[in-house]
This record gives sequence, structure tokens and C-alpha cells, in this order.
Amino acid sequence: AQKVTQAQTEISVVEKEDVTLDCVYETRDTTYYLFWYKQPPSGELVFLIRRNSFDEQNEISGRYSWNFQKSTSSFNFTITASQVVDSAVYFCALSGSGNTPLVFGKGTRLSVIA
Amino acid sequence: DVKVTQSSRYLVKRTGEKVFLECVQDMDHENMFWYRQDPGLGLRLIYFSYDVKMKEKGDIPEGYSVSREKKERFSLILESASTNQTSMYLCASSLMDRGKKETQYFGPGTRLLVL
Repeated sequence: AQKVTQAQTEISVVEKEDVTLDCVYETRDTTYYLFWYKQPPSGELVFLIRRNSFDEQNEISGRYSWNFQKSTSSFNFTITASQVVDSAVYFCALSGSGNTPLVFGKGTRLSVIA
Repeated sequence: DVKVTQSSRYLVKRTGEKVFLECVQDMDHENMFWYRQDPGLGLRLIYFSYDVKMKEKGDIPEGYSVSREKKERFSLILESASTNQTSMYLCASSLMDRGKKETQYFGPGTRLLVL
């Protein structure tokens, strides 16, 4: 069975601080995909990144960066110099290959305080 | 841009009513999904569909049914609404996975309150 654990339920940081959101996954598949989504207060989930299991290269997109480590089954998300607009619930998700649904973690609520 | 729309942002219904939640996507996606989101439980999959007239149960299908008569539309039906179905309902769609996993795109959600 596949499982995603986001151990941090809520995080509060002061604006301009860096923050890392943890994601640990379990799967027996050799080919799998990992995702991060952002859910702002408006409610709509916004896609941030997709990574497949064969690509362990870390990725940076502006203030966002992702650290994928197969050895520890983790796919952590770091926001550098956080801003109030980063306040949201962030979900990590996992899927095997083929036409299979995503398995979501329970989410981490990030509050960035001005 | 992919657009997934849901018929209502907020809905209030009474126990026992039949409730229809509609979802429409405009990107010719084969796959469509219904989730519910509850505090502390994250997103849980109710039903999904890989094609017109096809449906698959997710993790929590009890009390729900779905309909996919057209490719762009996926309806979630609560046959007899109960208070424990008060929740946020999210619809998503994606292309069919062909060799790589396709991204799911989400609608804005419907907050359903059952009294």
C-alpha cells in the first residue's frame, strides 16, 4: 500500500524566514511520482511540482526548492524568504505508474506572519 | 490553462435530500476524480472515472454515487444526505497516464453543509 506522511500539522514562521515542509512516503513501486500542491484560503489546490522516481535531481523555482531523497523516502519542500502570500495548506501526494489515483498526505498548514 | 469548474462554491442541504455536485472540465481530460477534504484527514478519494460511463470506487465511496455521461462532466450524487457528509468536496481532472503520470488539476471546491 502507498502512504504519504506529513508529520508537521501546522507551522508558523515570521516573514522572510526560510521554512521546510517535510514529506515522507512509502511505496513498493519502483516507478512512482511525487507531487506538491498548495491550497490557499480560497480553497483551490494549485499544482506546484511533479517528480518521478528516476529523477533525484533537486529543483529550484524562484523561492521554492524541492529535495528528493530516495534513500530516506523523502520529498521535502523549502520556501526561502517566506512571504505572507505563502500562507496556505500544502499537500504532498504520491502515485504509482499507470492510471492510478494519487494518495495525499494530510497536509501542512503554513502561516507566515508579517 | 486548464479549467475545472464546480457548480457551487457553497451549498446548504437538509438531511435526507438528494444532492448533486457537478464538475466540468474544458481540457478534454479522460480522467476525473471526486475527493472530500476534512480537517485532519486530508483529501480522501470518493470515486474516479477513466472514461465516459466508467467509474471506479475510491477509498470512501459509501453513501455516494457518480455519473459520467459526457467526457467533460463528472457528477457526484449524495442519494440521501447525512450530517456526516458535511465537508469540502473537490473535483479534479487529468489526461490519461500514458508512460508518465499526468498532473491532476483541481476545481475551486464546494463546501457542503448538511443540516
